[in-house]
Amino acid sequence: EPEVTQTPSHQVTQMGQEVILRCVPISNHLYFYWYRQILGQKVEFLVSFYNNEISEKSEIFDDQFSVERPDGSNFTLKIRSTKLEDSAMYFCASREQGGSNQPQHFGDGTRLSIL
Amino acid sequence: AQSVTQLGSHVSVSEGALVLLRCNYSSSVPPYLFWYVQYPNQGLQLLLKYTSAATLVKGINGFEAEFKKSETSFHLTKPSAHMSDAAEYFCAVSQNNAGNMLTFGGGTRLMVKP
Repeated sequence: EPEVTQTPSHQVTQMGQEVILRCVPISNHLYFYWYRQILGQKVEFLVSFYNNEISEKSEIFDDQFSVERPDGSNFTLKIRSTKLEDSAMYFCASREQGGSNQPQHFGDGTRLSIL
Repeated sequence: AQSVTQLGSHVSVSEGALVLLRCNYSSSVPPYLFWYVQYPNQGLQLLLKYTSAATLVKGINGFEAEFKKSETSFHLTKPSAHMSDAAEYFCAVSQNNAGNMLTFGGGTRLMVKP
């Protein structure tokens, strides 16, 4: 069964450094998402992406964050200058064409640790 | 704004007992509802979804959920718990808007005792 893959599984970065989290969505999917889960807290929506542009973003997704689909397969989340509070598990998700009744499929996540 | 509440951050049952995980939502329009399961060190796996076709929805691993509009609930049940069901369970709601974002509940950690 096709799946969403995320790399790396664990990223350790010094505060203030840039970090790029990578995702390969399921190949025929057209809608892409990033969520994060701070340890012990809810899964929170960050951003959705469709047709090469952001379709919705949350308050968390400020100017330090950006997303990109650099080629036909990858979907990346960049944090320009990381803060301690960016430490979390970051999940990528994708879904196929159709209404929002189509489920989102999640990757296994990248654990980001900011030192 | 929509929200999801999962009553009980931890639920413990004995192997073979009924599993009941509660989910209530608030939404101004009919929502789409999902249950996801997260095993340790893994991502979120879809258990089942409600999309208005039928109020009782069957999912994988013997789980099912019933949509009750009058109670704004979408509780998850399984008649007989297995040890392998131990995981964290998340209820989520989506609406038909531009981003189709999911709003998650706080999660319920299910523990299964032998």
